[in-house]
Amino acid sequence: GDSVTQMEGPVTLSEEAFLTINCTYTATGYPSLFWYVQYPGEGLQLLLKATKADDKGSNKGFEATYRKETTSFHLEKGSVQVSDSAVYFCAEEGNTPLVFGKGTRLSVIA
Amino acid sequence: GAVVSQHPSRVICKSGTSVKIECRSLDFQATTMFWYRQFPKQSLMLMATSNEGSKATYEQGVEKDKFLINHASLTLSTLTVTSAHPEDSSFYICSARDPGTGLVGKQYFGPGTRLTVT
Repeated sequence: GDSVTQMEGPVTLSEEAFLTINCTYTATGYPSLFWYVQYPGEGLQLLLKATKADDKGSNKGFEATYRKETTSFHLEKGSVQVSDSAVYFCAEEGNTPLVFGKGTRLSVIA
Repeated sequence: GAVVSQHPSRVICKSGTSVKIECRSLDFQATTMFWYRQFPKQSLMLMATSNEGSKATYEQGVEKDKFLINHASLTLSTLTVTSAHPEDSSFYICSARDPGTGLVGKQYFGPGTRLTVT
């Protein structure tokens, strides 16, 4: 079945550092792609999404571009804050319900 | 934004007993709800898709007689773990799809229920 692979964490960064979390998917065709975030003690929240090739999703300073040629949807942020500390999940929705990656824990230290 | 609640947030039960977890969509009607299981340091694993008024669709490898799902109304789905064993201890998360938004993948997630079977 479809799967999503994202870089394993944990990732620890200093405040204002650049963040990249890699994500690749296996679904054929043009699945919709998502990044979800889970803050400590809270449920999953949709961070951003892209529904077609070359789309860029963005929210709260985070960006991810749908790359069909590399089947990737890497998450980036130019300057992370302590409040960005959370677990980030990449997900895809093709012909099946949402399929999630394993999650990447990000810790940002002041 | 839309809110999905789960109850209880934590439950401890003895081996062999059953426990029911509720998932509610608070401000929209969800014809479809999903139940996930999250293992430590692992991703969410879809267990089943719950459709209002019909039988749930279980993913391969998920025992339907052990994990009973009932979607009796447009705002409530329940997951009952029957004859629980310690290996059923996990974090169970539900989500609900809001059909009214017309947006792809508009799923809202509950905060999860931590089940511990002793």
